[in-house]
Amino acid sequence: ETGVTQSPTHLIKTRGQQVTLRCSSQSGHNTVSWYQQALGQGPQFIFQYYREEENGRGNFPPRFSGLQFPNYSSELNVNALELDDSALYLCASRTTSTDTQYFGPGTRLTVL
Amino acid sequence: KQEVTQIPAALSVPEGENLVLNCSFTDSAIYNLQWFRQDPGKGLTSLLLIQSSQREQTSGRLNASLDKSSGRSTLYIAASQPGDSATYLCAVARYSSASKIIFGSGTRLSIRP
Repeated sequence: ETGVTQSPTHLIKTRGQQVTLRCSSQSGHNTVSWYQQALGQGPQFIFQYYREEENGRGNFPPRFSGLQFPNYSSELNVNALELDDSALYLCASRTTSTDTQYFGPGTRLTVL
Repeated sequence: KQEVTQIPAALSVPEGENLVLNCSFTDSAIYNLQWFRQDPGKGLTSLLLIQSSQREQTSGRLNASLDKSSGRSTLYIAASQPGDSATYLCAVARYSSASKIIFGSGTRLSIRP
């Protein structure tokens, strides 16, 4: 167990809908990152938040957005869902004093 | 653009064997390299992290090496056990952000009892 939790575990949406995924970081971790992992592939970096501000982003369109709250929990929001958004979404947290990231168990999103 | 490749994509070996998983990357300007384990449908567990100034790291039956100049890393697993069955992913971090790590597609390892 890494101390990082994600909700929900599974989610089914239809194309065009919006979705919010949640992550609770390990205590004391002020940096959170989100990744998308398609079936059979490695995770791809979506963005990182530090002290409630986005400070790094991968090659994802603006319809992927996020929030980080003062208690270091965070959200990933995806608007106008597309079929290709079906994937496992992982969050990872760390402190700025270490390079090791602790991953949550992920949310499996299916878009029909 | 950094690309990370892991070969083979899948590997099946009998219990007790020593084995090596390979990872290659195209840009040698890395901050660190990590090896992760992922069980089916689950999140990632960090196994070993090698800083760019290091050559290897060891944890129990696992040993990871790093050769930046050739863009290669290996994960050595000694005396494999059925519980080692999982997908193993390597990932490299750029200098600019330790969180923006680039993953390979992984090697799916199966240990036969």
